Amino acid sequence: EADIYQTPRYLVIGTGKKITLECSQTMGHDKMYWYQQDPGMELHLIHYSYGVNSTEKGDLSSESTVSRIRTEHFPLTLESARPSHTSQYLCASSEETSTDTQYFGPGTRLTVL
Amino acid sequence: AQSVSQHNHHVILSEAASLELGCNYSYGGTVNLFWYVQYPGQHLQLLLKYFSGDPLVKGIKGFEAEFIKSKFSFNLRKPSVQWSDTAEYFCAVLSYNTDKLIFGTGTRLQVFP
Repeated sequence: EADIYQTPRYLVIGTGKKITLECSQTMGHDKMYWYQQDPGMELHLIHYSYGVNSTEKGDLSSESTVSRIRTEHFPLTLESARPSHTSQYLCASSEETSTDTQYFGPGTRLTVL
Repeated sequence: AQSVSQHNHHVILSEAASLELGCNYSYGGTVNLFWYVQYPGQHLQLLLKYFSGDPLVKGIKGFEAEFIKSKFSFNLRKPSVQWSDTAEYFCAVLSYNTDKLIFGTGTRLQVFP
């Protein structure tokens, strides 16, 4: 069982609010990722990090931002939430090895009204 | 662009039936291949993975997958499914070139007693 946590699990919020989705892992993994997943669709990579102070944008354009100040923590922030941000957000981490198996958190289901 | 295709979007089986879920990818270089499973209400978990060596890999809960390089395929199989196998199954490909994990759209499996 992977030790990767996401809070909140569910969030319903109004348009224009600033939100931060939390992701923490206790495995000491250098690599961390954020994916966005809509129902019935594939996961799309929106952000990733290879270590502290490293952040990169993924393949899917996103208005969210991320930070990596500590190895174990990789929060995602939306400055002004909109209904188009409604989705499930999944956080993952992996070791810095050639196998690169990613371990996923439980996800945050975000609804913006 | 790299892509992963899962041809079966929704599969319905009775217990003890055999299962095969198709997965094809479009990348000619060296890849790592994964099947992830998401049980209802749970997070994504690794089912099995292929990196090198024997193209027939065995995973948890009696699942196996065969990598056929010439067909760019990595189909998932189980000889006899159980009700507890009801879940969503995702195929994913990690290319050495991009170092990014690309997911298929997923296959929803429902097993009836």
